[in-house]
Amino acid sequence: DGGITQSPKYLFRKEGQNVTLSCEQNLNHDAMYWYRQDPGQGLRLIYYSQIVNDFQKGDIAEGYSVSREKKESFPLTVTSAQKNPTAFYLCASSIGHPNTYEQYFGPGTRLTVT
Amino acid sequence: KNQVEQSPQSLIILEGKNCTLQCNYTVSPFSNLRWYKQDTGRGPVSLTIMTFSENTKSNGRYTATLDADTKQSSLHITASQLSDSASYICVVSASGGSYIPTFGRGTSLIVHP
Repeated sequence: DGGITQSPKYLFRKEGQNVTLSCEQNLNHDAMYWYRQDPGQGLRLIYYSQIVNDFQKGDIAEGYSVSREKKESFPLTVTSAQKNPTAFYLCASSIGHPNTYEQYFGPGTRLTVT
Repeated sequence: KNQVEQSPQSLIILEGKNCTLQCNYTVSPFSNLRWYKQDTGRGPVSLTIMTFSENTKSNGRYTATLDADTKQSSLHITASQLSDSASYICVVSASGGSYIPTFGRGTSLIVHP
């Protein structure tokens, strides 16, 4: 089955710890994205990557880091510098420019930091 | 600034009834508009995509309309089912300029039996 997988579905961490969220796709898509979703708010872009070994900050990149060493993988690290990390995190991918091609979303990871 | 506003914020209807969700946007220059359905705790799934020249597009019981002159779109759900309970997100893309589409906050729809 082709698609995007995110793991784990639920993640719990203590404040002050870094945590890495996994995102893998086997759609052969060039572009990948990380969004954050909070209750009552729209999706907000954290980082995106158009090609391997390249990525750009989105609207709310502070406290987050990413890497794109392989086309299939785009992990997101939530660092201790992120002041409000508890949220639902969505990974997406598209075959090309997102203004032209559909973004396909993963099932999401719900992160809770206490 | 590109913006997408959706209304109502939430909606409760009885099973079998119809409903219409609204989306107003200020994204320019317009490229396309997508409606996504997001079940609770899941990722959004695309329902329809509309370009400048399209006025209406259907996907089963879902019908989207687009008025590019007034920059408005609507999503009409016919004969609602319990499985329609979800958040519906309007996403508008610009041609050139911003690389990333603009997302609305979504309308939360609850269908009661």
